[in-house]
Amino acid sequence: NAGVTQTPKFQVLKTGQSMTLQCAQDMNHEYMSWYRQDPGMGLRLIHYSVGAGITDQGEVPNGYNVSRSTTEDFPLRLLSAAPSQTSVYFCASSYSTDSGANVLTFGAGSRLTVL
Amino acid sequence: AQSVTQPDIHITVSEGASLELRCNYSYGATPYLFWYVQSPGQGLQLLLKYFSGDTLVQGIKGFEAEFKRSQSSFNLRKPSVHWSDAAEYFCAVGGSSNTGKLIFGQGTTLQVKP
Repeated sequence: NAGVTQTPKFQVLKTGQSMTLQCAQDMNHEYMSWYRQDPGMGLRLIHYSVGAGITDQGEVPNGYNVSRSTTEDFPLRLLSAAPSQTSVYFCASSYSTDSGANVLTFGAGSRLTVL
Repeated sequence: AQSVTQPDIHITVSEGASLELRCNYSYGATPYLFWYVQSPGQGLQLLLKYFSGDTLVQGIKGFEAEFKRSQSSFNLRKPSVHWSDAAEYFCAVGGSSNTGKLIFGQGTTLQVKP
């Protein structure tokens, strides 16, 4: 079982370029989410999805787009990269337990640098 | 507002000493609480979680945490720290909204002295 797979692990962009961070999970989890991690700020939610075809914004959605066409995949798109988007990005998938709580499984992360 | 505060940004302990990492939360509904650990350059691994029931929960790697509703705290403890415990630790809170969203604290970096 691969769990949550993120690609690429490292990426350097120039300001204004676009790119897509890929995320795939093989656990048949219903929920998926994207977080960014910045020093001293913990992880902040960018976008999340509660199922195929359904997405919503998190705490810091500006500059990012997402779509969820299948249960397995949840790509994160940067349409016009800015230096403020330099960060480490984590994708997570989760399931709902009997109590209603979600337990997140994280990918290994994608480190993005925007020059 | 919903938030998680980890008051200690950086903690240094000697190997073999006990450890307590603090976590305070503000959450309007019944909180579900988590501790994650991140080794350098790695992703996040779940250490333990609290949903309901016994307020003292056991996790992996010898860690435990105690939920204190009156203090809005969920502190992480370990009786004897090993050098391999050096990492960054994140406390997080979520609810029963069934969406997989968590609110994370700022993180505490643990350094272990030999």
